[in-house]
Amino acid sequence: QQQVKQSPQSLIVQKGGISIINCAYENTAFDYFPWYQQFPGKGPALLIAIRPDVSEKKEGRFTISFNKSAKQFSLHIMDSQPGDSATYFCAARGYNTDKLIFGTGTRLQVFP
Amino acid sequence: GAGVSQTPSNKVTEKGKYVELRCDPISGHTALYWYRQSLGQGPEFLIYFQGTGAADDSGLPNDRFFAVRPEGSVSTLKIQRTERGDSAVYLCASSRGGSETQYFGPGTRLLVL
Repeated sequence: QQQVKQSPQSLIVQKGGISIINCAYENTAFDYFPWYQQFPGKGPALLIAIRPDVSEKKEGRFTISFNKSAKQFSLHIMDSQPGDSATYFCAARGYNTDKLIFGTGTRLQVFP
Repeated sequence: GAGVSQTPSNKVTEKGKYVELRCDPISGHTALYWYRQSLGQGPEFLIYFQGTGAADDSGLPNDRFFAVRPEGSVSTLKIQRTERGDSAVYLCASSRGGSETQYFGPGTRLLVL
């Protein structure tokens, strides 16, 4: 069964620190790896995404690092802010489909 | 512009009843997706439409679940003979043709008593 494994389940970071969330996948047929941010009572919103032909993508304070050989990818949030406190989901999509397979989520709390 | 909207925002029903959940995608988006999110879990794929047709319904858990999109815009997810295990947030998303980005609505919180 296609799976995306995400860790940690929860994360507490001091304001200004770096938040790191990791995901691993098994299916080599995945070709698109987005990260979604979800606030309580809201739907997930796309944060940043990467394709397997690059090893890193940066957008502002958010960076995805991708290791194709290890089948792992991670989200780094630099200079974490209290407003970043939310649940983060990694996801993956196969070559011939539009459906997303989500990880189980990481609840991030950033304290001032 | 307006995002994906879902109605109702909350639905409480009794075991065995029939429910309909509605999704209005972003105007012009040809693809529409339904996901289900249980408490503390990531969204789980149910079905997606390209235009009016279901391109992939492999995530529907059983034949009590059915979805339609008759005019290629609004979609309705229908659940027959609801069970307590159906309680979850049902999320709808849409995307432009050829785009990878899925835009999610706020979800419908379904509680089956």
